[in-house]
Amino acid sequence: GAVVSQHPSRVICKSGTSVKIECRSLDFQATTMFWYRQFPKKSLMLMATSNEGSKATYEQGVEKDKFLINHASLTLSTLTVTSAHPEDSSFYICSARDPWTSGRMNEQFFGPGTRLTVL
Amino acid sequence: GNSVTQMEGPVTLSEEAFLTINCTYTATGYPSLFWYVQYPGEGLQLLLKATKADDKGSNKGFEATYRKETTSFHLEKGSVQVSDSAVYFCALIRRGGGSEKLVFGKGTKLTVNP
Repeated sequence: GAVVSQHPSRVICKSGTSVKIECRSLDFQATTMFWYRQFPKKSLMLMATSNEGSKATYEQGVEKDKFLINHASLTLSTLTVTSAHPEDSSFYICSARDPWTSGRMNEQFFGPGTRLTVL
Repeated sequence: GNSVTQMEGPVTLSEEAFLTINCTYTATGYPSLFWYVQYPGEGLQLLLKATKADDKGSNKGFEATYRKETTSFHLEKGSVQVSDSAVYFCALIRRGGGSEKLVFGKGTKLTVNP
């Protein structure tokens, strides 16, 4: 089946530093990838949608200068949290859509998530 | 707006017990409905789906029926196993602005004891 990986799985950083999270589709090409943020005991919140080769579309309230998204290839999207602060600590999850298998349902395949802790 | 409300957890059951996790939705138009499962340490996996009213999604013994009249998509399983312990998310896809975006409920953690 379609597999999506994320790296790193866990990262701890100091306040003010930048952190890059990678999302890879391992056995399919993903024209569209999504980035979500999950708070404890709350649902996944869509942050942005990225299409390969174009600028990401951010959801309302998400700072595009804070959360930089790059989708330079059909198998890799990156999320960079710039000048991280403790309030950015969260669980970040990516997903990818394979246009050849998703069909009408547009199924998304999810990565295992990255736990970011900002001290 | 579009939203999903699912029952608060955690839910703790004994093996072979009957499971129901309630899910209701608010949406404009006719959304597609999903249940995702997240096993410990893994990413979300699609468990089942339904695209229109009265559709029944089923997989691994789990079932959910798209009820338009009650705007519900409750998840059921007749006999749970320890291996079903996970977090379950109800979700819908809303369509608009040329894109399709998943809207999730808060998740319900299920623990099944031997």
